[in-house]
This record gives sequence, structure tokens and C-alpha cells, in this order.
Amino acid sequence: SAVISQKPSRDICQRGTSLTIQCQVDSQVTMMFWYRQQPGQSLTLIATANQGSEATYESGFVIDKFPISRPNLTFSTLTVSNMSPEDSSIYLCSVEDLGASGIGEQFFGPGTRLTVL
Amino acid sequence: AQSVTQLDSHVSVSEGTPVLLRCNYSSSYSPSLFWYVQHPNKGLQLLLKYTSAATLVKGINGFEAEFKKSETSFHLTKPSAHMSDAAEYFCVVSDNLLNFGNEKLTFGTGTRLTIIP
Repeated sequence: SAVISQKPSRDICQRGTSLTIQCQVDSQVTMMFWYRQQPGQSLTLIATANQGSEATYESGFVIDKFPISRPNLTFSTLTVSNMSPEDSSIYLCSVEDLGASGIGEQFFGPGTRLTVL
Repeated sequence: AQSVTQLDSHVSVSEGTPVLLRCNYSSSYSPSLFWYVQHPNKGLQLLLKYTSAATLVKGINGFEAEFKKSETSFHLTKPSAHMSDAAEYFCVVSDNLLNFGNEKLTFGTGTRLTIIP
């Protein structure tokens, strides 16, 4: 099973600035996913990142606002650009890997809690 | 298109009594269904997963869920609640069963489980 770390774990940022969140996996994975969890809400998929190609964004999310890099099979970054208070959320990355049962399952990082003032 | 509806936003049960968290799904294909748990200020953890094998799925910490195609339901149960079960629970659906490495998850809105001492 994959172990995922994220940096930073939390941050407080000013309106109009940008923050880059890093996601590191302890094994090589094909696809990495980025989710947003707004306060008191469920998780919403932002985009899917495949190494060596452009990320695929879900409806309502655009590359200019959430640029993603995927330079290798163990690492990805998500940037939240030109932030506003509405961007205050927990941002999580996840990967698909084999679980203890031998069946594929999705593992989640601990999340980055972002507060925009 | 896939979707999932968690019928209760908040469930309270007394310690030692049964837990029932309800989930209905909609999917164009044979779905994979999951239950994830999120403890306060902690990451998401997979409780159990259904992938078209046995319809009664046993997970960690004594939880289980039954897939009922005729009712399009995947309710989560536990015979006896423990204080440590207090958390947010998410029902999740994925259509991409055969496309390992590209399972796009759709999350329900979550059910907050409170355990009364």
C-alpha cells in the first residue's frame, strides 16, 4: 500500500497570493488525483495527473487557477493561484495502489489545510 | 454518470447499540463502492470496498456493508458502536472498475456519526 505525504500540512495566506502544495508517494504510481474539501463539505475531485502529460481537470476547475505539475512517478504539485477566501479548504492528493487484499484501492494523503485571509 | 446519496447528514447512537449509515448510489455500469472514514483532523481511511464479488463486504473495525443492486443501496452497519467510531463517514462510488489506476471517485456528502456514552 502507498504512503503519501503532503507539504505544507497547513498554511495561512493572504488574498491574491499563490500557494504550491507538494505530494510525495513512497512508490511509483501512474495516476495521482487532487481533491478539495471545503469546510463542512465532501471531497470534490479537482484533476487527475498523469506523469508526462497535461492534467485532466473536472468541470468547474481550470488550469490557470489550479496548475498541476507531475514531473515523475512519485511526485506532484498543485498550485492554488490568486487566492481568495473562497479557496479556504483542505486539499488532498491520492493515488491508486494495491491494498492489503491485493485489490486496487485509493490511498489519500493527510491533506493541506489552507486558510485565505 | 455516477452519483451517491447519503440519506442522513448526522446519526447519533448510544455506545453498544447498532450503527446504520445509509447510502444509495447511481451508476451507469457495474460500480465499485467504498466507505471511507475521516476522524477529526486526520486523513481518510478506507473502511471497506465492494467490487462485484461477495455482496456482503466486511471491513475494518467490525464494520460491514451489503450491496443490494435491486435497491441500489450500500448501507454501512456495525453491531455495536464504540466511542472511537465517532467520525465522518463517506460513501463513494466509482465506475472505472476495470481501469486500474484511473478510478475516479465520486464522494457522498458525508454522515457525521456521534456516539452517546
